[in-house]
Amino acid sequence: DTEVTQTPKHLVMGMTNKKSLKCEQHMGHRAMYWYKQKAKKPPELMFVYSYEKLSINESVPSRFSPECPNSSLLNLHLHALQPEDSALYLCASSQDRRSSGGYRETQYFGPGTRLLVL
Amino acid sequence: AQSVAQPEDQVNVAEGNPLTVKCTYSVSGNPYLFWYVQYPNRGLQFLLKYITGDNLVKGSYGFEAEFNKSQTSFHLKKPSALVSDSALYFCAVSPNSGYSTLTFGKGTMLLVSP
Repeated sequence: DTEVTQTPKHLVMGMTNKKSLKCEQHMGHRAMYWYKQKAKKPPELMFVYSYEKLSINESVPSRFSPECPNSSLLNLHLHALQPEDSALYLCASSQDRRSSGGYRETQYFGPGTRLLVL
Repeated sequence: AQSVAQPEDQVNVAEGNPLTVKCTYSVSGNPYLFWYVQYPNRGLQFLLKYITGDNLVKGSYGFEAEFNKSQTSFHLKKPSALVSDSALYFCAVSPNSGYSTLTFGKGTMLLVSP
């Protein structure tokens, strides 16, 4: 099973709201990723978690706050977002082979959360 | 630094004809290469990857890709296109050593006409 699930599918929020995106996988993967994708553009990496610890933060604004409560779950907490943050937010997971020193294993993506900030 | 080029924004092909979606890459050392497909309002689906070995890689849904080291290319191919293959295709690369993440190309929209 190579399934990554994400909830909710769609989210509309105002600029003062606080909301959370959730991601879950049961493939035993120890690397999990958050990406942001604008329409017809490639995904942009936001965060990488390795063994439940934040490994990469691609200079993402602090209004995005990731959390990895256990090896199967990844959350993205949203607060005081801007309209330009409207996008498809994708979660992915992969094996994490620490000996290889990078995140180059096959990533499996969830269906995404379509976020609209008003 | 690694990079990926997908020179075509869009590829049009008639159903039943062969299709090719082009990808060239730049990376230090040997590459890991991937193709992903994205259907409308969906996440990315893994199609195939090259790590080492046979230059012709077979993947899901009848797709294959040929790794050409001298031309630094990894073109995606299918012998007979289906209308349902219409989607956005992304090539991605990572060096096979050192600390890195995947770098995605800009994407190529494939449109298969009936």
